[in-house]
Amino acid sequence: QSALTQPRSVSGSPGQSVIISCTGTSSDVGGYNYVSWYQHHPGRAPKLMIYNVNNRPSGVPDRFSGSKSGNTASLTISGLQTEDEADYYCCSHAGSFTLVFGGGTKLTVL
Amino acid sequence: QVQLVESGGGVVQPGTSLRLSCAASGFSFTNYGMHWVRQAPGKGLEWVAVISNDGNRQNYIDSVKGRFTISRDVSNNILYLQMNSLRAEDSAIYYCAKDWHYMTDFDYWGQGTPVTVSS
Repeated sequence: QSALTQPRSVSGSPGQSVIISCTGTSSDVGGYNYVSWYQHHPGRAPKLMIYNVNNRPSGVPDRFSGSKSGNTASLTISGLQTEDEADYYCCSHAGSFTLVFGGGTKLTVL
Repeated sequence: QVQLVESGGGVVQPGTSLRLSCAASGFSFTNYGMHWVRQAPGKGLEWVAVISNDGNRQNYIDSVKGRFTISRDVSNNILYLQMNSLRAEDSAIYYCAKDWHYMTDFDYWGQGTPVTVSS
């Protein structure tokens, strides 16, 4: 049950795009198309942004998109806005009724 | 609308017990699995435990197996986490979260309840 690997931080200017990676193994990210992404502003409840690798829940802007290749999933945020500044976490199904999170990535909008 | 409200957190000494509660409303409680997720100070989110919609199946992260028990009261729509033999490393904000696509994601979260284990 090792945490998935994410970059500690990423940054971008308003209007730019950023990509956050999430690397696991064939037992989690690579083994299932069940990667989700969460936005977390400190002091608030986390918010689901992407599910099943590349699906957006209702109400999430289409600036947010997800993808996966092998054992690495990615979250792309295009047209950065100041309100996108937050911590982002990936999460993957890991078999045997288990889930595992990434270590989290702090997004700074310069 | 869906609401999840945690309670029961506090400051306790190592080796003692605490029971967290999560009051759920706005959805059919018996149709969804429920989870506990925690965030230690300065750390990331960590999945802790899950209980199936019918309560018949549970699972835990290795570090809490044998010490924590997840359960649910379907009459009152409450999720519980009984935490025994608490350790300093269990200190965290504990969130309850609603399962959506069967053990693959969480679509609603509570605001969290803080637990501090310290002598």
